[in-house]
Amino acid sequence: AQKITQTQPGMFVQEKEAVTLDCTYDTSDQSYGLFWYKQPSSGEMIFLIYQGSYDEQNATEGRYSLNFQKARKSANLVISASQLGDSAMYFCAMREGYGGSQGNLIFGKGTKLSVKP
Amino acid sequence: ETGVTQTPRHLVMGMTNKKSLKCEQHLGHNAMYWYKQSAKKPLELMFVYSLEERVENNSVPSRFSPECPNSSHLFLHLHTLQPEDSALYLCASSQEIGAGVVHEQFFGPGTRLTVL
Repeated sequence: AQKITQTQPGMFVQEKEAVTLDCTYDTSDQSYGLFWYKQPSSGEMIFLIYQGSYDEQNATEGRYSLNFQKARKSANLVISASQLGDSAMYFCAMREGYGGSQGNLIFGKGTKLSVKP
Repeated sequence: ETGVTQTPRHLVMGMTNKKSLKCEQHLGHNAMYWYKQSAKKPLELMFVYSLEERVENNSVPSRFSPECPNSSHLFLHLHTLQPEDSALYLCASSQEIGAGVVHEQFFGPGTRLTVL
């Protein structure tokens, strides 16, 4: 069965510093997609970044990058130059199939990031 | 309107009331989803509609009844709910068909439901 583990219930980071949010996953499939979402206190889930299991390069989107270590089954999110607006819940998610095209999107329990001024 | 919209944003209802949550997506997607997010729990998938047909029903109690009249609209009809149904209900959509397409789901802002 698929499983997503986020071991950090809460994290603090100083403004302008980088922070890494951990995510490990469990699947027996070779083809899958990994996603990170941000959920501010307003409630909306905002898609941040995607990594495909066959992608050789780590995904990057602006200040977000994904540290993908396939052998370790980890997909950590790195946020560089943290901003106060980055304070939110962050969810790691996985879906099987190329591009994450099959089955259900499975979410971790999330990490609450607080950015200190 | 852009993206995925949900109405109402907040809803308070008694256990004997009947209400409906509405979701609309303006992205041209062909799949829509209902999720429930309770405090300190992972998101729970409730229903999936692909090409307007229900393809997933995750053992959701019958007091929740989904409706998908077309690919842009999704409803969740509520009746005789329980206090433990109080949660944030999130709607999402995605494009499920297409070569090389990344199947990320785009979420609406959610409806925060309180059942008294």
